[in-house]
Amino acid sequence: AQSVTQLDSQVPVFEEAPVELRCNYSSSVSVYLFWYVQYPNQGLQLLLKYLSGSTLVESINGFEAEFNKSQTSFHLRKPSVHISDTAEYFCAVSGDSSYKLIFGSGTRLLVRP
Amino acid sequence: GAVVSQHPSRVICKSGTSVKIECRSLDFQATTMFWYRQFPKQSLMLMATSNEGSKATYEQGVEKDKFLINHASLTLSTLTVTSAHPEDSSFYICSARDRTDSYEQYFGPGTRLTVT
Repeated sequence: AQSVTQLDSQVPVFEEAPVELRCNYSSSVSVYLFWYVQYPNQGLQLLLKYLSGSTLVESINGFEAEFNKSQTSFHLRKPSVHISDTAEYFCAVSGDSSYKLIFGSGTRLLVRP
Repeated sequence: GAVVSQHPSRVICKSGTSVKIECRSLDFQATTMFWYRQFPKQSLMLMATSNEGSKATYEQGVEKDKFLINHASLTLSTLTVTSAHPEDSSFYICSARDRTDSYEQYFGPGTRLTVT
C-alpha cells in the first residue's frame, strides 16, 4: 500500500523568504511522485513530477523538489516566494498497477507581504 | 498540453433530484478517468476509477448506485449524483490518464455541487 504524509497543514511565510513544504511517502513498489497546486475554487495544476532520472526536478515558476529514496521524501522548495504563490499544495504518489494517485492531506502556503 | 474540461463548473439543485457532471479530455484519448470528491479545506478523496467500455471500480465506502459513472468513449466520462441530498454538496474533480501507460493524471477544473 502507498501513503503520503504532509506534516504541515499550513506554512506562513513572508514574501521573498525561502520555503520548504515537506512530503514523505511510503510505498512497496516503484514510486512516481507529484506536486500539485490548487488555487481557491479551482482544480489541480501539476507543479512538478518525478518519474525517473534526475532526482532534482524543477518547475517553470521557481519551485523545485528532490526525490530522496533513503529518506522517502519529496520536499518542495522555493528560494524566494511571491504573494501569488499563496495556495494549497498537494503531494501525491503513484506507482502500482492501478495507476491511482494517493494524495497527502495538503499544505496551505500563506505568503504575507 | 493535455487539457481536461468539466461541465458544469457550478450547479445548484434541489434535494431529491439528479445531477450529471461531464468530464472530457480535449486533446488526448483517455482510457482511464478518475473521479474525486473534495470537502472544504481537505484533500482529494478518490471515489472511483472509470475505464472506457467497462464498469467503474468504486472505492470502499462509495455508493455505486448513488454515484453513477459512465465512460462511454475515450474522451468522455460522466458522473451522475442520483437523488442528491445536502450532504452530497461538495467539489467534484475528475482526472484523466492518457493511453501511453503513463502515471501522470491531468485534472479538470472541478464542479461545485450545492444541494438545497
